[in-house]
Amino acid sequence: TQLLEQSPQFLSIQEGENLTVYCNSSSVFSSLQWYRQEPGEGPVLLVTVVTGGEVKKLKRLTFQFGDARKDSSLHITAAQPGDTGLYLCAGGGGATNKLIFGTGTLLAVQP
Amino acid sequence: EAQVTQNPRYLITVTGKKLTVTCSQNMNHEYMSWYRQDPGLGLRQIYYSMNVEVTDKGDVPEGYKVSRKEKRNFPLILESPSPNQTSLYFCASSPTYQETQYFGPGTRLLVL
Repeated sequence: TQLLEQSPQFLSIQEGENLTVYCNSSSVFSSLQWYRQEPGEGPVLLVTVVTGGEVKKLKRLTFQFGDARKDSSLHITAAQPGDTGLYLCAGGGGATNKLIFGTGTLLAVQP
Repeated sequence: EAQVTQNPRYLITVTGKKLTVTCSQNMNHEYMSWYRQDPGLGLRQIYYSMNVEVTDKGDVPEGYKVSRKEKRNFPLILESPSPNQTSLYFCASSPTYQETQYFGPGTRLLVL
């Protein structure tokens, strides 16, 4: 069974701090997606990475795909209260024709 | 507006009373799927459909049925709901399974 483990599970920080969320697996994926989910809504795609070692930036968010395409990280610089939400990674193109979602990281940024 | 719609958004029912949650997308997507979201367990796939009349089990299919008679609709059927099916349910669609998943707003189900 393919699994994507995210860490930490919960994170509460002050506005202006930096943070990193990790997404790890023992399986290789051909692509890795990151979603953010706000309370009462469905997840919304932030970015897709497809090449080992790839780094993508989205304003204050930096996404990296591991060289072996088994792991990924999301780094947020100078977090803001608007970054609060559940962050989910999802891997595709592994052993099955399904998108596998990670366990999620719940981020709370206090003003 | 491109979107995935689900109905109802909230549902309280009793054990054993059959229910259907509808899902519809207007993006002409081939791939549709149902997920349930539970605290600490993330999003788990219930069923998915690669195309019309093609459906397959996800990771937690027990107690659920689906059908894909038209490209735009993918209803989720609970023939005999049980309390362990109390959860938040999401329908999603995408051009293929590896591309961006577009999620509906969710259906919060409580089975008493």
